[in-house]
Amino acid sequence: GQSLEQPSEVTAVEGAIVQINCTYQTSGFYGLSWYQQHDGGAPTFLSYNALDGLEETGRFSSFLSRSDSYGYLLLQELQMKDSASYFCARGGGYQKVTFGTGTKLQVIP
Amino acid sequence: EAGVVQSPRYKIIEKKQPVAFWCNPISGHNTLYWYLQNLGQGPELLIRYENEEAVDDSQLPKDRFSAERLKGVDSTLKIQPAELGDSAVYLCASSLGRWREADNEQFFGPGTRLTVL
Repeated sequence: GQSLEQPSEVTAVEGAIVQINCTYQTSGFYGLSWYQQHDGGAPTFLSYNALDGLEETGRFSSFLSRSDSYGYLLLQELQMKDSASYFCARGGGYQKVTFGTGTKLQVIP
Repeated sequence: EAGVVQSPRYKIIEKKQPVAFWCNPISGHNTLYWYLQNLGQGPELLIRYENEEAVDDSQLPKDRFSAERLKGVDSTLKIQPAELGDSAVYLCASSLGRWREADNEQFFGPGTRLTVL
């Protein structure tokens, strides 16, 4: 199938670093996107990895390894406002779009 | 520039009643998506349009769900008749278009929260 698995919940301390993993089980080339969703809000785009390696955008970085069918989102210098759900997603363009199961991040003081 | 617009924001109906949701994507975006999102889960694609063509409707329950995007701009998603299990948030999103390199970024509307009693 095209499932994307993520840990359901992660808790981290304000100011720390947290990594949210995403593993998938389909073959073929797919880029990997990451979205943030606050409770009651709409998903908002964070980053996209078209190729293997690390992409950095401010405090957020995203990594993709297509050979390992694995990616992660790295959040540095955590702030309370980072408490939200984070989703990885594959597809777009000519490829089928599938979202991951989602990770609820709780940042504690 | 206006983002993706959806209406209504909230809808409460009784089971077996019909319901319709409307979405206006960002101007110039050729791709439009309808998703269903249950609490604590990721968005699940219902249908994807490229202009007025439905290019992926494999997960749309066609016995009760229908959608249209007649002029390739705004879109309507309908459920008839609604069932208790249809209670969820219905999200609309748009992106530039599948032939565009930046098509990976989707812009989401605020969603419609449907409650079926």
